[in-house]
Amino acid sequence: DTGVSQDPRHKITKRGQNVTFRCDPISEHNRLYWYRQTLGQGPEFLTYFQNEAQLEKSRLLSDRFSAERPKGSFSTLEIQRTEQGDSAMYLCASTEEGSTYEQYFGPGTRLTVT
Amino acid sequence: GQNIDQPTEMTATEGAIVQINCTYQTSGFNGLFWYQQHAGEAPTFLSYNVLDGLEEKGRFSSFLSRSKGYSYLLLKELQMKDSASYLCAVPRSGGYNKLIFGAGTRLAVHP
Repeated sequence: DTGVSQDPRHKITKRGQNVTFRCDPISEHNRLYWYRQTLGQGPEFLTYFQNEAQLEKSRLLSDRFSAERPKGSFSTLEIQRTEQGDSAMYLCASTEEGSTYEQYFGPGTRLTVT
Repeated sequence: GQNIDQPTEMTATEGAIVQINCTYQTSGFNGLFWYQQHAGEAPTFLSYNVLDGLEEKGRFSSFLSRSKGYSYLLLKELQMKDSASYLCAVPRSGGYNKLIFGAGTRLAVHP
């Protein structure tokens, strides 16, 4: 399977705990995006990487959120001191530079904060 | 800013045709995407329109009118497996092509 993969698929955590999610994009894709989706809504942009550089962060991304893409391949999204409002599906997408902008999405990580 | 509107829910009968509308407001325009999303799954790409007109791809077609800020997705010969959310999205101009999504239209196909 050469699609975008995410791990874990589901995460249940208690309020105040830290969580980390991983995304492995399609191997030749140098652009990587993180989105968050809550029930009944479309995905909302969180952050964007081009290779290893984080070029844009949404105002939705509070100081408790941090993302990295250290070698320009996989990416991690960490949420510190989780809150119940962080419960959502976290989606990763990748695309090739110069493509027709089609973004390929991973299956997502569903986070539940209790 | 950018704003995308689409109906929240639609229902249709198996074998019928359904049209899902999307209106958008953008400060610049770099095309419009339609994605399909089954419950609990990732969005999957359906179509990309950058020029006015209708683009047909099997049972699915997508239409764009840039002057009206309007698009629709047409699904023909509906099947039960077409029950899903359909998301309209536009890349934000000057924003590394990050996608701005509508809330999605939940389509329920009944026998």
